[in-house]
Amino acid sequence: LAKTTQPISMDSYEGQEVNITCSHNNIATNDYITWYQQFPSQGPRFIIQGYKTKVTNEVASLFIPADRKSSTLSLPRVSLSDTAVYYCPRGFQKLVFGTGTRLLVSP
Amino acid sequence: DAGVIQSPRHEVTEMGQEVTLRCKPISGHDYLFWYRQTMMRGLELLIYFNNNVPIDDSGMPEDRFSAKMPNASFSTLKIQPSEPRDSAVYFCASSPPGEGRTGELFFGEGSRLTVL
Repeated sequence: LAKTTQPISMDSYEGQEVNITCSHNNIATNDYITWYQQFPSQGPRFIIQGYKTKVTNEVASLFIPADRKSSTLSLPRVSLSDTAVYYCPRGFQKLVFGTGTRLLVSP
Repeated sequence: DAGVIQSPRHEVTEMGQEVTLRCKPISGHDYLFWYRQTMMRGLELLIYFNNNVPIDDSGMPEDRFSAKMPNASFSTLKIQPSEPRDSAVYFCASSPPGEGRTGELFFGEGSRLTVL
C-alpha cells in the first residue's frame, strides 16, 4: 500500500487554528480517512474519522472533498498541549502509517 | 476498561537473546495489531489478527520474528535471536468489531526494546 503524503512539520502559536492536509491519491473505495495524534513515549491516539464531506467532534474537524483524494484536519485554537505528531494513515483494516506531521505550538 | 496493556514497558537485552513482548487487548475487541516504530522507518505494521487468526504477516521483517494469539485476551511477539537493529518501540493495538474495518484502533503504551 502506498503511504499518504503530509507535511513533515508545522509551527503555530497558541490560540491559532491549524490545518494539516493529507494527500490520499490512491485511496480505495472502502477506505475511511482517519487521523491520529501521538505524544512522545505514548501510542497513537485516534482523533477523528470520516468517509466524505465534513465531520466534527469535540477535538477537531475533518474536511474531505468529493474526490476523497485529500483530507484536512482542522484544530481550532491550539494550545501548547496540542504539540504532537499527527498521522493520516491509509488502508482498510490494515492501516499504513507514514512519518506524520510534527506540530509545534509555541506560546 | 483498562485499555490495551503491554508488557514489559522497557526491555534491554543482548544480541542473540530471545525477547518476548506481550499484549492484552481491550475486552471484546476482535482485531489485534502489532506495530514497530523507529526514527528511521516510522510506524510499521508487522502483523494483525482477527478473531485470534493471523490475517496478514507480510510486515514481519524476517523469520526471527513470530507472533501468536492463543486466545482473545492475549498475544505475544517473539524475536529469536534478537539483533541490535531490532531496537524500537513495539506497539500493540486492538479494535472492536466493525471498527477494525474503518480504522479506529486503540493503542497500548508500547514496549521499548533495546538490543545491545
